[in-house]
Amino acid sequence: KNQVEQSPQSLIILEGKNCTLQCNYTVSPFSNLRWYKQDTGRGPVSLTIMTFSENTKSNGRYTATLDADTKQSSLHITASQLSDSASYICVVSFFSGGYNKLIFGAGTRLAVHP
Amino acid sequence: EPEVTQTPSHQVTQMGQEVILRCVPISNHLYFYWYRQILGQKVEFLVSFYNNEISEKSEIFDDQFSVERPDGSNFTLKIRSTKLEDSAMYFCASGGGGGSYEQYFGPGTRLTVT
Repeated sequence: KNQVEQSPQSLIILEGKNCTLQCNYTVSPFSNLRWYKQDTGRGPVSLTIMTFSENTKSNGRYTATLDADTKQSSLHITASQLSDSASYICVVSFFSGGYNKLIFGAGTRLAVHP
Repeated sequence: EPEVTQTPSHQVTQMGQEVILRCVPISNHLYFYWYRQILGQKVEFLVSFYNNEISEKSEIFDDQFSVERPDGSNFTLKIRSTKLEDSAMYFCASGGGGGSYEQYFGPGTRLTVT
């Protein structure tokens, strides 16, 4: 069964600190892996997209890694800011019928405190 | 920057009533999607639409649901006879296709069924 599991469920860190969020998946056939940021009551916003051949990708203070062999990904946030408080969702897609179908993780709720 | 828009932002309806949720995708996109997120749960895929027809739907998307692209710009989700368990955030997304993986999400419509 196609599944995406994330850990931790929630995380509290102090402003300026770094953190790493984890994602494990069992999705096949794998197309790509995305990390989204979702503010409360808003739609998800894409942070990174990685294909099978990519093992790291950065977007500002966000760096995602992908190990396609172990089917694991991580999202590292450096020098956290209060505005980083949000849910971070790992999404794995597979290509079916000409489009990408997305399997969502439950997300990690990050709270950055001053 | 072009974005996906959704109306209304919040819809309250009584059980058994029909609702229509509206989305305006990004203008040159070819693939359209609806997702829902029950409060506190993960985002779930409902349906994808391409070339004026449904290309895939999940088990959630039963006969009570229908989608339409009535005028080449709007993309609608209709729920014929709402149930209490239909209360959720409904997100529309669109994507360019043609090898582009990205899906752009709208801000969502919060549907409350009483």
